[in-house]
Amino acid sequence: NAGVMQNPRHLVRRRGQEARLRCSPMKGHSHVYWYRQLPEEGLKFMVYLQKENIIDESGMPKERFSAEFPKEGPSILRIQQVVRGDSAAYFCASSPPLGGAQEQYFGPGTRLTVT
Amino acid sequence: QQQVKQSPQSLIVQKGGIPIINCAYENTAFDYFPWYQQFPGKGPALLIAIRPDVSEKKEGRFTISFNKSAKQFSLHIMDSQPGDSATYFCAASKGGGYNKLIFGAGTRLAVHP
Repeated sequence: NAGVMQNPRHLVRRRGQEARLRCSPMKGHSHVYWYRQLPEEGLKFMVYLQKENIIDESGMPKERFSAEFPKEGPSILRIQQVVRGDSAAYFCASSPPLGGAQEQYFGPGTRLTVT
Repeated sequence: QQQVKQSPQSLIVQKGGIPIINCAYENTAFDYFPWYQQFPGKGPALLIAIRPDVSEKKEGRFTISFNKSAKQFSLHIMDSQPGDSATYFCAASKGGGYNKLIFGAGTRLAVHP
């Protein structure tokens, strides 16, 4: 059973470019969460999605950031016009449908570097 | 009210020792408390989790102690090994885990041979 998959693992963007981060949840999981981790810090929640719905985006910056989890395909975290402060590790987690185990399982992360 | 405070920031023990990492929370609506282990360059891996209706949970060498009245919980690692050297994060959420996790700042553990 494959775990949570994220790609790319490393992404380098120049200031002003767009970054697209992808997350494929574990098989059978229908809930996806995105977190950001700055160097030497803990993880900060960004957004919680179910298929075709954003459940909680209270941790998302108001501008330049967006997320989606379409009916088909992976969840996408999109960062427009990246700035140096966006450099971080971005982790995706997934959990099974309601009624099952409630744990969140994390992917290996995408490390974004903005130059 | 949304914070989870974790201590210590770093910890060094000898092989076989029992490192203890502590976390405290304010929000009484939290009802799910997991611990994650993270190695450099990797994603966090779920170690063990507890709900507030029990005071202790043990899985292998890892034990969570939970004090609901004090709003504190801790991780104990029995017979620690050099391979346990990693960063450990506590977290909390409402809604039984189907909700955002609020993470502590992490504890960097080094187990010396």
